[in-house]
Amino acid sequence: KNEVEQSPQNLTAQEGEFITINCSYSVGISALHWLQQHPGGGIVSLFMLSSGKKKHGRLIATINIQEKHSSLHITASHPRDSAVYICAVDFGNEKLTFGTGTRLTIIP
Amino acid sequence: NAGVTQTPKFQVLKTGQSMTLQCAQDMNHEYMSWYRQDPGMGLRLIHYSVGAGITDQGEVPNGYNVSRSTTEDFPLRLLSAAPSQTSVYFCASRNYANEQFFGPGTRLTVL
Repeated sequence: KNEVEQSPQNLTAQEGEFITINCSYSVGISALHWLQQHPGGGIVSLFMLSSGKKKHGRLIATINIQEKHSSLHITASHPRDSAVYICAVDFGNEKLTFGTGTRLTIIP
Repeated sequence: NAGVTQTPKFQVLKTGQSMTLQCAQDMNHEYMSWYRQDPGMGLRLIHYSVGAGITDQGEVPNGYNVSRSTTEDFPLRLLSAAPSQTSVYFCASRNYANEQFFGPGTRLTVL
């Protein structure tokens, strides 16, 4: 079965801390997406990865194909980073399977 | 570009009523999809379309119909609303590079 697991489910940190959110999946994939959802808000795509590493501002996403694992890092975290971060995987069937999300709260 | 738009933002229905959730995109994307988001669960695919005139079922299609008469529009119809369909509904489209674009969501309550 194609499964996606995220950890942790909830994460609270102080402003300025380095944040890591993890995503593991069960079988080979064609692409992995990281999404951001603010409370009561829509969903925004942050990254799409099939290998290696991508960086946008303070956000970094990495993927290890052999270990079937991806991480989303946030450097110098800020209260505006508080959101739910969602990992979504394309297992090659053109449909996305979503993790349940990580709720991040950054305290000033 | 307006991106992906959805209407309405909020809706309350009584059990048995029918309604249509509207979705439109102005990016000329062939692939569009509908998801529902429920507490404690990942988004789940309801229906999707790879182009005008072509639709297919996702993971949770029961109780929903879709059609795709144009590239721009992909409405989702609830035939006879049930309390189990209380959820937040997201429409999305995808470009040729597989980048995902989501609408703002419709929060539906069925009493």
